[in-house]
Amino acid sequence: KAGVTQTPRYLIKTRGQQVTLSCSPISGHRSVSWYQQTPGQGLQFLFEYFSETQRNKGNFPGRFSGRQFSNSRSEMNVSTLELGDSALYLCASSPYGQGSQYFGPGTRLTVT
Amino acid sequence: DQQVKQNSPSLSVQEGRISILNCDYTNSMFDYFLWYKKYPAEGPTFLISISSIKDKNEDGRFTVFLNKSAKHLSLHIVPSQPGDSAVYFCAASATSGTYKYIFGTGTRLKVLA
Repeated sequence: KAGVTQTPRYLIKTRGQQVTLSCSPISGHRSVSWYQQTPGQGLQFLFEYFSETQRNKGNFPGRFSGRQFSNSRSEMNVSTLELGDSALYLCASSPYGQGSQYFGPGTRLTVT
Repeated sequence: DQQVKQNSPSLSVQEGRISILNCDYTNSMFDYFLWYKKYPAEGPTFLISISSIKDKNEDGRFTVFLNKSAKHLSLHIVPSQPGDSAVYFCAASATSGTYKYIFGTGTRLKVLA
């Protein structure tokens, strides 16, 4: 079974721009969660989608948004990028959201 | 407010000895805990989990202990191997509530050959 894939793996953007990251979960997994990882902060939960609905949301500003498609693939969008948005963005999938999650390799976003 | 804390940013252990990684939490609603291992340039990989109805769970060289009264869990790796060198994250969730995982900041384990 193929693992969680994320595209692109690396991205460089300028302040003020917007960006869209993509995540394809493991086949059959309906829950996709997104995390931001920065040095010293660990993994910060962004949001979780299940069956195309946002089920949970972390404490991030409205510039961070996401969606999930009928095939469970998910996208995350960040608008009006700030320097502090530079981070590794990880998505994780699981069958229903409980139990262990399977992470993708992440997208390294650099905002200059 | 860091609800899940890993107070040791790094740990060095000799090969063959025991590695003990610690994690503290503040939210008494947490009832499911997981440990992940992360190598550079890869996503975290699931290691072991424990539900609050247990106080110990074992899987090969990895054992997780949960002390609910102290709101503390620990991961024991015995014997430690150089391939165990990675960053370890603990995570917690309240399964009765939202399906949302709160992660600690990680502990970098270095196993010395």
